[in-house]
Amino acid sequence: AQSVTQLGSHVSVSEGALVLLRCNYSSSVPPYLFWYVQYPNQGLQLLLKYTSAATLVKGINGFEAEFKKSETSFHLTKPSAHMSDAAEYFCAVSDNNAGNMLTFGGGTRLMVKP
Amino acid sequence: KAGVTQTPRYLIKTRGQQVTLSCSPISGHRSVSWYQQTPGQGLQFLFEYFSETQRNKGNFPGRFSGRQFSNSRSEMNVSTLELGDSALYLCASRVISSGANVLTFGAGSRLTVL
Repeated sequence: AQSVTQLGSHVSVSEGALVLLRCNYSSSVPPYLFWYVQYPNQGLQLLLKYTSAATLVKGINGFEAEFKKSETSFHLTKPSAHMSDAAEYFCAVSDNNAGNMLTFGGGTRLMVKP
Repeated sequence: KAGVTQTPRYLIKTRGQQVTLSCSPISGHRSVSWYQQTPGQGLQFLFEYFSETQRNKGNFPGRFSGRQFSNSRSEMNVSTLELGDSALYLCASRVISSGANVLTFGAGSRLTVL
């Protein structure tokens, strides 16, 4: 069985500050990991995905995530927060390359202060 | 290219009624998945359809069902609605290929059960 834990249901940063959203996973097989973002009243948009090609994954909107097997982590970072980054972020894991049947973490709401 | 379209976007039902939600996938996407999003349980996988057949199913009671048509459009049905069924129901589609697929989500159908 797989699981995903996102530490911190709410994270607040100042505009221009580093964004760090934490994700730890549990999987009995090599995982496929994803980060999605959800803006109010919208569906989920894929930020990036890890599929074992490279441990540092670059995504859209300046976000990146690093897969650390020893720590079972896949934290999401962005060097400089923008007001438009305010949204809810979800980490998800799949046990297959198809990327279906995702198991999601509880989500982290990112607030950006001016 | 049109995205994943879900209808209706909002609806209100009363306990005991049934509801049908519709999802039109991106053209060329043959797999459709459904997820339920609630504040308490987060995002949970309901089921996936491909070639008009249910391929995978999450841990939901039999009141939740779905189907897929030959044009890949999908519907999900919830019978004998309960208050706890109030949620955002998200549909996602993907291509079927040997590579790493990603899900493209629609904006969701927000169901309120009174």
